Amino acid sequence: GAGVSQSPSNKVTEKGKDVELRCDPISGHTALYWYRQRLGQGLEFLIYFQGNSAPDKSGLPSDRFSAERTGESVSTLTIQRTQQEDSAVYLCASSLGGSFTAFFGQGTRLTVV
Amino acid sequence: KQEVTQIPAALSVPEGENLVLNCSFTDSAIYNLQWFRQDPGKGLTSLLLIQSSQREQTSGRLNASLDKSSGRSTLYIAASQPGDSATYLCAVNGDNFNKFYFGSGTKLNVKP
Repeated sequence: GAGVSQSPSNKVTEKGKDVELRCDPISGHTALYWYRQRLGQGLEFLIYFQGNSAPDKSGLPSDRFSAERTGESVSTLTIQRTQQEDSAVYLCASSLGGSFTAFFGQGTRLTVV
Repeated sequence: KQEVTQIPAALSVPEGENLVLNCSFTDSAIYNLQWFRQDPGKGLTSLLLIQSSQREQTSGRLNASLDKSSGRSTLYIAASQPGDSATYLCAVNGDNFNKFYFGSGTKLNVKP
């Protein structure tokens, strides 16, 4: 596609439910990032994928968070047993590699009620 | 751990003014620095990318400079327009490219 696509754009879920967020990177981009932005705050790094290398999961806040990516294609971020503090905009970005411009999707706004 | 600071947190200027946004980072061992803009309710748009070996990059009315040794970057916006109103974010890339460290942003309002 022309840009990074994220779905859904908005998600409202009940506390305790699992959610899955999807990111379609730009075709050919080997690097993929997930970030979280809470209301009025900066971007927090969650996870980084580069090709077939082991992902950098150092930013995942708890074991309720997990992410997958097969090769250089779609990535999914899963949050299990959602909590109210998980409410945020989840942003995905892709690039040709770490030294290149990162392109961000529009984000998924998650609200846990 | 890398820390990125942006000053000022908010800025309001009349249309037509030239302005400078500041970004500083604590660890000078970076690979590159990017400036982004974020519009309300939307994702980030990359404006300029400066590699660590470069001193500046220009795109239209935007000019970004990088002084790696002192841990500073500036984004210069010439002849500001109301359409420039947005939050501007600075991010540095280190740690083997694995992550960008973001500043908290400067919220710019350009008044018509």
